[in-house]
Order: sequence, then structure tokens, then C-alpha cells
Amino acid sequence: GAVVSQHPSRVICKSGTSVKIECRSLDFQATTMFWYRQFPKQSLMLMATSNEGSKATYEQGVEKDKFLINHASLTLSTLTVTSAHPEDSSFYICSASRGGAINEQFFGPGTRLTVL
Amino acid sequence: GQQLNQSPQSMFIQEGEDVSMNCTSSSIFNTWLWYKQDPGEGPVLLIALYKAGELTSNGRLTAQFGITRKDSFLNISASIPSDVGIYFCAGRIIQGAQKLVFGQGTRLTINP
Repeated sequence: GAVVSQHPSRVICKSGTSVKIECRSLDFQATTMFWYRQFPKQSLMLMATSNEGSKATYEQGVEKDKFLINHASLTLSTLTVTSAHPEDSSFYICSASRGGAINEQFFGPGTRLTVL
Repeated sequence: GQQLNQSPQSMFIQEGEDVSMNCTSSSIFNTWLWYKQDPGEGPVLLIALYKAGELTSNGRLTAQFGITRKDSFLNISASIPSDVGIYFCAGRIIQGAQKLVFGQGTRLTINP
């Protein structure tokens, strides 16, 4: 159990366009989902935390108007990178936790975004 | 913000050797987690530790939650080629909190 999927796995887009990334918990209901960004050879940087039905909590320095997060159901969260620029190119990873006594995060496979 | 110091940053070993890596912090942690990340993939949870002094094994992997609650180590015995990857420690400072703090990662390379 505890499988998390992401779609798409890779996306290439032109500068100025918007890109939506989906994160789904396949076999459990996720009370909380997280979005991370990872640059090459670096650790994971938390961007935001989202709970179903409420607004996401963004980390300091992350532009909420740039990175729109929607957590519409207990199994789906989306991250939209608006007006993408080359500096937004990165590996975006989501994770989901199912709550309860053991509240660990299970990660999706990641989405490689390349902005030309 | 809170930081975890993970070492070593990289390791180059021969197949069959044992591996040891650790994470330390100036803050007390309530949870220590160890993840492995393969290239182009998301991290996979290997071991979770919840009590000071706890020693937990998962196959050839063994991890311990330090008595001071400020450190943790991960050992891999008799390494095999599929152990190659990046290992991250992660911790939770506040009990019940959801956010994790990640270490910088240890990149493991194995020579056959």
C-alpha cells in the first residue's frame, strides 16, 4: 500500500506557458500532500503543504501566485506552474501522508519540468 | 531554518563492503527517517525511527535513533549493485508535525 503517482513524468514547455502537474494517492486517502522541488545533486526543498479542501501553506520564498496548488479531493493535488520561465526548470516531487499514528510521507516518482 | 548535517556526501565502495552514514543536528528530533532515491525517481522510505535508542532493521539495512535524539545512523551490510543511489535522512522536530527536514544526501557508488 501507500502508492503515490505523478503525471506527467516529463514535460517540456515554452517560456510563458503554464504547466499542471498531478499528484494522486492510489490506494489510500491522503489527509495532507506536499510539494517539493529538487535541483540536480541537491536535497529536497519543501515548497508547500496542502490539506484537502483548504488553502495551501507555502514555505518562505515560494511565490503562491507562481505555484498554484489545488487539493480538491483526498486523493488528488495539483501544482500549476504559471507563466513558466527557464529558471523554473527542475524536478518536482509530491508526497502524501495518510494521517493517523504513523503519519509518514510517501513520495511520487517526480516530474521533470524543462522550460525552453 | 533547521538543518540536518548528513555525512559523508559521497561514498565509493566495492561490492560486498559494509556502508555507514549518519545525520546530526543541533536540535532534538522526535522522528528520524531514512529514504533512498534512485536517479529520476522519488524517494522511497527505508526505515522509520520513533524512539530514542531505537534500533530497527530492514533486510541488510539497520538504522538507529541516537540516545541524544540529535543523530541517527544508517548501515548497509554486504552492499550489492542495486544499493547504488542517494540516501537521505529526514527528521521531524515537533511531535505530530507534518513537515520534514531533509539532510543533504549521501551518494553511494558501488564498484562491482
